[in-house]
Amino acid sequence: DAKTTQPPSMDCAEGRAANLPCNHSTISGNEYVYWYRQIHSQGPQYIIHGLKNNETNEMASLIITEDRKSSTLILPHATLRDTAVYYCIVFSKAAGNKLTFGGGTRVLVKP
Amino acid sequence: DAGVIQSPRHEVTEMGQEVTLRCKPISGHNSLFWYRQTMMRGLELLIYFNNNVPIDDSGMPEDRFSAKMPNASFSTLKIQPSEPRDSAVYFCASSFGGGELFFGEGSRLTVL
Repeated sequence: DAKTTQPPSMDCAEGRAANLPCNHSTISGNEYVYWYRQIHSQGPQYIIHGLKNNETNEMASLIITEDRKSSTLILPHATLRDTAVYYCIVFSKAAGNKLTFGGGTRVLVKP
Repeated sequence: DAGVIQSPRHEVTEMGQEVTLRCKPISGHNSLFWYRQTMMRGLELLIYFNNNVPIDDSGMPEDRFSAKMPNASFSTLKIQPSEPRDSAVYFCASSFGGGELFFGEGSRLTVL
């Protein structure tokens, strides 16, 4: 019962912005969009989340479309250390307070 | 804070043996999660606890798997008897109850 769709992989040039898309066309009004990443051999790491407004923190920016059916995670200046699998997840406390990970997007940052 | 602490980091055992994985969540967190990751199935949620009470164990593969949380600072995931198909990386995570989970470094289990 995947609630998000992401491309399986993408490449990005070091120093350039990386734009990672995610479709969540069945998202409900009380569901948030969360992004995590997993660097090889490590546990997943929280990046950012949002409900309907765009969000920015020290790691990334999250752009959510007005209809909330899709979003884009932006890594403004990708570095080699940003090479990882990035997961887009729809989350609702009301639905059980649990995060369900899909396949994610494998991002390779190239020099 | 030291973050979520898992032990052992690596475990190699033989089929039929009992395996116990341990997790110490971040102090003050009231939710704890056990995930399993394999190449074939990705990251799967096995079970999670709120305030030390198991809330959803629908991801536990079968009766050979059990998890306990006797207090707010400790949880175990036990596999008895273990089988080769249980080989995976097992992650523990904790949170304040929202969607921001803090993961441990994982326990890599190999069952021969």
